[in-house]
Amino acid sequence: GALVYQYPRRTICKSGTSMRMECQAVGFQATSVAWYRQSPQKTFELIALSTVNSAIKYEQNFTQEKFPISHPNLSFSSMTVLNAYLEDRGLYLCGAREGGADTQYFGPGTRLLVL
Amino acid sequence: SQWGEENLQALSIQEGEDVTMNCSYKTYTTVVHWYRQDSGRGPALIILIRSNEREKRSGRLRATLDTSSQSSSLSITAAQCEDTAVYFCATDRTGGADRLTFGKGTQLIIQP
Repeated sequence: GALVYQYPRRTICKSGTSMRMECQAVGFQATSVAWYRQSPQKTFELIALSTVNSAIKYEQNFTQEKFPISHPNLSFSSMTVLNAYLEDRGLYLCGAREGGADTQYFGPGTRLLVL
Repeated sequence: SQWGEENLQALSIQEGEDVTMNCSYKTYTTVVHWYRQDSGRGPALIILIRSNEREKRSGRLRATLDTSSQSSSLSITAAQCEDTAVYFCATDRTGGADRLTFGKGTQLIIQP
């Protein structure tokens, strides 16, 4: 079956430092990968979308300079949160979609705590 | 209704009761997705309904969609304790399920 793994599951970093998180789609060929942040209040924000053969597109309020994404292929994607501060805390979710499918498969998320 | 709410809504019902959660969306969509999220986990799709469908059933779940009022509902029949979760509706303005816009969510608690 289709699974999406994310690691680490939880991380704590000091304010102003950076941390990298990874996402791997297993059991299907992902044609797009979207990164979201879920706030402590449970609201979702789309950070960026990567689709096959297209450049990564960042949403308003999110930049490549702050959230650089790397993906050698769409089955594997990593995102770094640079210079993390308190407002960056939350659950970072990776959603991968298989071409032609109507939905995204989500990983369990990486919970970022900033001290 | 999930959109337009400032905070996560909460519903608490007794086991065995039926419950309906509502969702209204602002932009055009061809599909409404309903996800559930258990504590400490990512959202999981439970049912989706397309714009050419008015109703969709899956086990104890029933989704409806009214494109004229841009609203959808999710009903659970004979709720069980394991239905306790946060439920989100999501739409995709591009029609391709690549970039989902989630509602604020409904925290559903099933009391034994």
